[in-house]
Amino acid sequence: QVQLVQSGAELKKPGSSVKVSCKASGGTFSRCAISWVRQAPGQGLEWMGGIIPILGTANYTQKFQGRVTITTDEATSTAYMELSSLKSEDTAVYYCARNPGVATFGFFDLWGRGTLVTVS
Amino acid sequence: DIQMTQSPSTLSASVGDRVTITCRASQSITHWLAWYQQKPGKAPKLLIYKASSLESGVPSRFSGSGSGTEFTLTISSLQPDDFATYYCQQYNGSPYSFGQGTKLEIK
Repeated sequence: QVQLVQSGAELKKPGSSVKVSCKASGGTFSRCAISWVRQAPGQGLEWMGGIIPILGTANYTQKFQGRVTITTDEATSTAYMELSSLKSEDTAVYYCARNPGVATFGFFDLWGRGTLVTVS
Repeated sequence: DIQMTQSPSTLSASVGDRVTITCRASQSITHWLAWYQQKPGKAPKLLIYKASSLESGVPSRFSGSGSGTEFTLTISSLQPDDFATYYCQQYNGSPYSFGQGTKLEIK
């Protein structure tokens, strides 16, 4: 059974970048899209963007456009989310999540455990 | 962008109660709506997709209904494990937005 295994917590300085990984353990991404959702402390869920690995196309929300880059390495079934120009407001738990449809975004049926990124 | 609004923000209930959470979209999303349960320190868990389809393994006391702009999540008989925060999410179009959450507390 596929699990999404994320990299560990990060402590970053303002203005720097962070790159979080998400590996499909026990399988592959298949034809599914992978999205990144973040949750600031005590706050709700926010979709940042995602990628459809078989198409190589990424979709980002306007809020993060220009600061976020989502990529995949199909050879290792790993997705990456890189966020640059970090600010204290970017302190959050970052989740990767799978969209189960074929090459499309939608709801999320499988989630990683989350990676805490602290900007201070 | 489509705005999702949940009500109430907090709900106090007892084990065995029937509870309903409402989610409204700022424009029609037909039936492209999902519901999630999240417990502290954990990732969200999918409960319902396509407004009323129960995810595999989710207890049948959870049900979803609605279409267009108004949707509900109903828990028919609350169990101790159900006290958590619930989120709706639209996937009619990008950006795929969530409601602000409803915290279900023990009365």
